[in-house]
Amino acid sequence: DQQVKQNSPSLSVQEGRISILNCDYTNSMFDYFLWYKKYPAEGPTFLISISSIKDKNEDGRFTVFLNKSAKHLSLHIVPSQPGDSAVYFCAASGTSYDKVIFGPGTSLSVIP
Amino acid sequence: DARVTQTPRHKVTEMGQEVTMRCQPILGHNTVFWYRQTMMQGLELLAYFRNRAPLDDSGMPKDRFSAEMPDATLATLKIQPSEPRDSAVYFCASGLLPNTGELFFGEGSRLTVL
Repeated sequence: DQQVKQNSPSLSVQEGRISILNCDYTNSMFDYFLWYKKYPAEGPTFLISISSIKDKNEDGRFTVFLNKSAKHLSLHIVPSQPGDSAVYFCAASGTSYDKVIFGPGTSLSVIP
Repeated sequence: DARVTQTPRHKVTEMGQEVTMRCQPILGHNTVFWYRQTMMQGLELLAYFRNRAPLDDSGMPKDRFSAEMPDATLATLKIQPSEPRDSAVYFCASGLLPNTGELFFGEGSRLTVL
């Protein structure tokens, strides 16, 4: 039973346009939600996070939106660049939750 | 520049052989995770340690997998005997938990079992 879901295995976007990656979760105990980025042959690296008390967090071209009532979050990348092509993992954790649980990932391709 | 170090980076072995993967977490981090990357499950949690004590290894096949942390600088994941279905990339990650969940990952150990 997956607690963190990413229903789109892949996404293709033109350079300069917006990329929107989606994530759904089932466990109400999660306090923090994170996005990690992974290039081939490398380990995942932390990209951006959001606390459950917020609905938006922005860092440069990356913005994460959280809708707690829908148990849904999304990562927006604007404008998308070819270097953003990678696998993006959604993850969830919490102060009262020991683990960090990852979704299956979405492979983003930004076409020049 | 602190980072998580994993060895070996690549391992090819035959079915039935023992495989040991090693991880050196970042000094000062209290939690160490082992994940396995698969196509279907993404990053699948196998086991994790808090202050070297095992907290949960329910994600591992108990009959063949074992995880240990003999000291603060070394975590190991052992597979005995290995099977072709164990072929995957295994990641070690460390962090300070509980907190926001920000983890630092190693580069992974790619295992191929023939």
